[in-house]
Amino acid sequence: LAKTTQPISMDSYEGQEVNITCSHNNIATNDYITWYQQFPSQGPRFIIQGYKTKVTNEVASLFIPADRKSSTLSLPRVSLSDTAVYYCLVGPLYSGGGADGLTFGKGTHLIIQP
Amino acid sequence: KAGVTQTPRYLIKTRGQQVTLSCSPISGHRSVSWYQQTPGQGLQFLFEYFSETQRNKGNFPGRFSGRQFSNSRSEMNVSTLELGDSALYLCASRYDKNTEAFFGQGTRLTVV
Repeated sequence: LAKTTQPISMDSYEGQEVNITCSHNNIATNDYITWYQQFPSQGPRFIIQGYKTKVTNEVASLFIPADRKSSTLSLPRVSLSDTAVYYCLVGPLYSGGGADGLTFGKGTHLIIQP
Repeated sequence: KAGVTQTPRYLIKTRGQQVTLSCSPISGHRSVSWYQQTPGQGLQFLFEYFSETQRNKGNFPGRFSGRQFSNSRSEMNVSTLELGDSALYLCASRYDKNTEAFFGQGTRLTVV
């Protein structure tokens, strides 16, 4: 399984763009990169998924360099409600590794201040 | 379309008791997975059921078990509860492998 490394915590302010980087040096050829968001006492929610280059949806952008050994989740103009834990998963499409089970690391606790 | 529903939302049990948690997946989804989340260990995969069969299992003791019914609803059971079983138990449903997983809001279990 590709192991991921991401910062334990980050702080930012409302209206700013936030970039969270995830390292995955031993990513396999058929692995995808998936990001989840989790609010306290709720289940994780899928944000975005990509394989290479750039992916954008209504919530975020995902930048993946050519070597795919890292990826960056970009949240444009964050608000207080973006305060959450963000998880980077690497593995088969939508699966994030661990056979059929999603393998979550510690995640990045993002705190947005006014 | 209704989301994943977990019941109950909160539960308090005494050491040594057993507990059963329920998960109703999104209509049409055949796979239900269960996860345990604690501050120390984070989110850990317990097991997955697909079409009433356990398809995969995480590294948890045999006190943790589950089952899935023909309507895809799933239950997990924890016997002989220990203090360390206090956690948020989450279930996720998806149509099959390689499709997006949707999580419920979880059941907060407190063992005293």
